[in-house]
Amino acid sequence: GAVVSQHPSRVICKSGTSVKIECRSLDFQATTMFWYRQFPKQSLMLMATSNEGSKATYEQGVEKDKFLINHASLTLSTLTVTSAHPEDSSFYICSASPTGRWSTEAFFGQGTRLTVV
Amino acid sequence: KQEVTQIPAALSVPEGENLVLNCSFTDSAIYNLQWFRQDPGKGLTSLLLIQSSQREQTSGRLNASLDKSSGRSTLYIAASQPGDSATYLCAVFRTSYDKVIFGPGTSLSVIP
Repeated sequence: GAVVSQHPSRVICKSGTSVKIECRSLDFQATTMFWYRQFPKQSLMLMATSNEGSKATYEQGVEKDKFLINHASLTLSTLTVTSAHPEDSSFYICSASPTGRWSTEAFFGQGTRLTVV
Repeated sequence: KQEVTQIPAALSVPEGENLVLNCSFTDSAIYNLQWFRQDPGKGLTSLLLIQSSQREQTSGRLNASLDKSSGRSTLYIAASQPGDSATYLCAVFRTSYDKVIFGPGTSLSVIP
C-alpha cells in the first residue's frame, strides 16, 4: 500500500523555539494532506487541510500564525509550530490521499510526539 | 507487531438497516481504540473513543464495543441513513498515543 512518512517521530524542544514536522507521500502524489492533533485521552482533532500550492484551511480555534503549514509540492507538507510553549506538547499526525482518488485510500503518517520543555 | 484489520472492506445496505462493522487487532496491550469516519475529500471525524479500561461507548445511533482479550471492537450503527455513507476507520493506540495503527477501513454505502 501507499506510504506516508512523517518525520520526526519524536522531538523535544525548548520553549520559544520553532519546530518543523514533515509529512511526505512516498509513492503517490497528494494534492491534499491533513494535519491532526491529539491531547492525552482525547480524540484526534483536525487542525488544518493543507492544499498544494495554496494556503491551508484551518479549523475553527486553530491559530494559523502559530501552526504554519506549507504544501510546496505534491509529495510534501510541513507543519511548523512557531514559538512553541509547553501547552503545544501533543501528538501530531498527518494523512494524505492520492490525487483524484478519495474512496478508501487515505494514508496516515505514524505521528510526531512533540514535547516542549 | 500490532496489526489492525477491518471486515468487511466494503458494505452496501438499504436505508434503515442496522449494521455492524468489525475491527480486529493482534496485540491486546492497547491504550485505547478509536473509530473515525472519513468522507471523500475530507479528513477524519472522530466518532467514538474507547479507553482500554472501558467496554462500550455510545453516541446517538452509534455504539462501539471493545473486547481486549479477543482483540476485537465492533461499531454498531442503528437505523442507517444515506448520510452515514463514508469510510469508517478504527485506530488502535498502543501506549500513551505514541503509536497509532489504523485499520484499512470499511467503505459503507447506504442506499436510499
